[in-house]
Amino acid sequence: DAKTTQPPSMDCAEGRAANLPCNHSTISGNEYVYWYRQIHSQGPQYIIHGLKNNETNEMASLIITEDRKSSTLILPHATLRDTAVYYCIVRNAGNMLTFGGGTRLMVKP
Amino acid sequence: GAVVSQHPSWVICKSGTSVKIECRSLDFQATTMFWYRQFPKQSLMLMATSNEGSKATYEQGVEKDKFLINHASLTLSTLTVTSAHPEDSSFYICSVPGGVWASGDTQYFGPGTRLTVL
Repeated sequence: DAKTTQPPSMDCAEGRAANLPCNHSTISGNEYVYWYRQIHSQGPQYIIHGLKNNETNEMASLIITEDRKSSTLILPHATLRDTAVYYCIVRNAGNMLTFGGGTRLMVKP
Repeated sequence: GAVVSQHPSWVICKSGTSVKIECRSLDFQATTMFWYRQFPKQSLMLMATSNEGSKATYEQGVEKDKFLINHASLTLSTLTVTSAHPEDSSFYICSVPGGVWASGDTQYFGPGTRLTVL
């Protein structure tokens, strides 16, 4: 079971921030939140992951709520190349990644 | 992050033949690799875990005699689809842990292999 809930699709204007939500209300204390994306006909690309604190890297920011029941992936300035399916995954150390349906993000000019 | 390659990137074969797909970790050694399958418009499903020096572990519902996995070295795992049939047509993707998997590190995925069985 995926353990996460994401909207099936979202649109975003090019140059604007894309905010992708994820609910993981059953997350336990030692489980990490991972984000991957998959561009059509390619393997998934790692974006970011976190446990409790907010995280930022060159690709995105991850905001995790204080109760850890939800999180938001932020792409600060979306480009057309960010059009992809974004997967939010909850896993604990040693467990496999279980992919759910993800959110299909369409960045429009 | 880790660099993972797959070969071939796509393959077309006749029903009843066998197809071998290679997954290579290019910049570090991996005792564990993972194989996923993705059907059109669906999400990735884990098929099996490839273990260097021991047998692969398969997910429920995946036939181990049909999908043969060999972790030949610390940088190479192969998936052989034996006696392929049209329903085996799919996108096969491998992944490699980027560090000590149990410590909360991430997985890095290969570019995938598109298999079409006629």
